[in-house]
Amino acid sequence: NAGVTQTPKFRVLKTGQSMTLLCAQDMNHEYMYWYRQDPGMGLRLIHYSVGEGTTAKGEVPDGYNVSRLKKQNFLLGLESAAPSQTSVYFCASSELNQPQHFGDGTRLSIL
Amino acid sequence: AQSVTQPDIHITVSEGASLELRCNYSYGATPYLFWYVQSPGQGLQLLLKYFSGDTLVQGIKGFEAEFKRSQSSFNLRKPSVHWSDAAEYFCAVGSGNTGKLIFGQGTTLQVKP
Repeated sequence: NAGVTQTPKFRVLKTGQSMTLLCAQDMNHEYMYWYRQDPGMGLRLIHYSVGEGTTAKGEVPDGYNVSRLKKQNFLLGLESAAPSQTSVYFCASSELNQPQHFGDGTRLSIL
Repeated sequence: AQSVTQPDIHITVSEGASLELRCNYSYGATPYLFWYVQSPGQGLQLLLKYFSGDTLVQGIKGFEAEFKRSQSSFNLRKPSVHWSDAAEYFCAVGSGNTGKLIFGQGTTLQVKP
């Protein structure tokens, strides 16, 4: 079972560049989430979706956009990357109030 | 506002010793509580969850946790630690109608031979 798949696994960007992180889940989950993980800060929610075509802001949404055009996919976009967005990004999916299933993460460095 | 506190940033125990990782939460209603483990370079794996009912919950890899409402705590325990348990552990509380999780800062466990 693939579960939650994140693409790419690693990426280096220059300041000002844009990119999209892709998350795909094969469990038919309604809910999907994007987190960023920084040392000593745990995981912080960037954006989330409660179903196809819906998105909502999390704790740290500034500088990011998301889209959920298909139920199985949740895209995270950086329009103009900044060094402060250097982080490890995790996608997760779940049904309501059930445990979230996480991908293996995307390590993003912005120079 | 909801919050989760893991007071211990780093813990070192000897292999075979018992382990307790602390977690305190702030939440207005009955919380959904989770413990996840993260090995280096990996995603998060669910160890156990508490939704309701028995306040002592069993998880994978020999872990258990006890929900204490009066202390707003959900501490993780293991009677005998193995070297493979070295990892980072996260406690999380879930909200009711969006499924969002609030994570603690994490506790890094080091296991001495």
